[in-house]
Amino acid sequence: AQSVTQLGSHVSVSEGALVLLRCNYSSSVPPYLFWYVQYPNQGLQLLLKYTTGATLVKGINGFEAEFKKSETSFHLTKPSAHMSDAAEYFCAVSGSNYQLIWGAGTKLIIKP
Amino acid sequence: GAVVSQHPSWVICKSGTSVKIECRSLDFQATTMFWYRQFPKQSLMLMATSNEGSKATYEQGVEKDKFLINHASLTLSTLTVTSAHPEDSSFYICSARGQETYNSPLHFGNGTRLTVT
Repeated sequence: AQSVTQLGSHVSVSEGALVLLRCNYSSSVPPYLFWYVQYPNQGLQLLLKYTTGATLVKGINGFEAEFKKSETSFHLTKPSAHMSDAAEYFCAVSGSNYQLIWGAGTKLIIKP
Repeated sequence: GAVVSQHPSWVICKSGTSVKIECRSLDFQATTMFWYRQFPKQSLMLMATSNEGSKATYEQGVEKDKFLINHASLTLSTLTVTSAHPEDSSFYICSARGQETYNSPLHFGNGTRLTVT
């Protein structure tokens, strides 16, 4: 069975600082991993995904994530935070029945 | 890219009435659609999975007689909240997937904010 753990329900960084949102997963099969972003009162938007191949995945809005099998992690990073990055971020792994198994979400707060 | 349109974006209804939420895939055929519910400050909770032309599969604890799901075509799924109560107030989000592969991403609607008074 798959599961996803996001460390930290809230992460606060200063504008211009590094953003690091943590995601660890468990999966009995090779995982497909996703990061989604949700802006207030909106649906979710795919940031990036890992399927196979290159372990460093680049997404939209300057975000990237690295798949580390040995650490069962898929942390999301951005070198320099922008005010517009304030949102909730969800990590997910694809389950055996094509559903997504979701992490609890991390709310990113950007301080001016 | 693939677009999923969800309507209405917000609705207020009186207790005891029914509300229908539509989810449409605009430029692809959605063989599978998912309905989620999101409580404030919580993650998404999968309510049900619907496949075109067949009955929806509901998650444990979700009342199928209260949350009616219809997936009549490859581009439309509807969620009807019947006899709504204030505790049904929530944010409902649909998502759709065109190809049944593990790595194909879901495409999400913008959600519907339901308030039951």
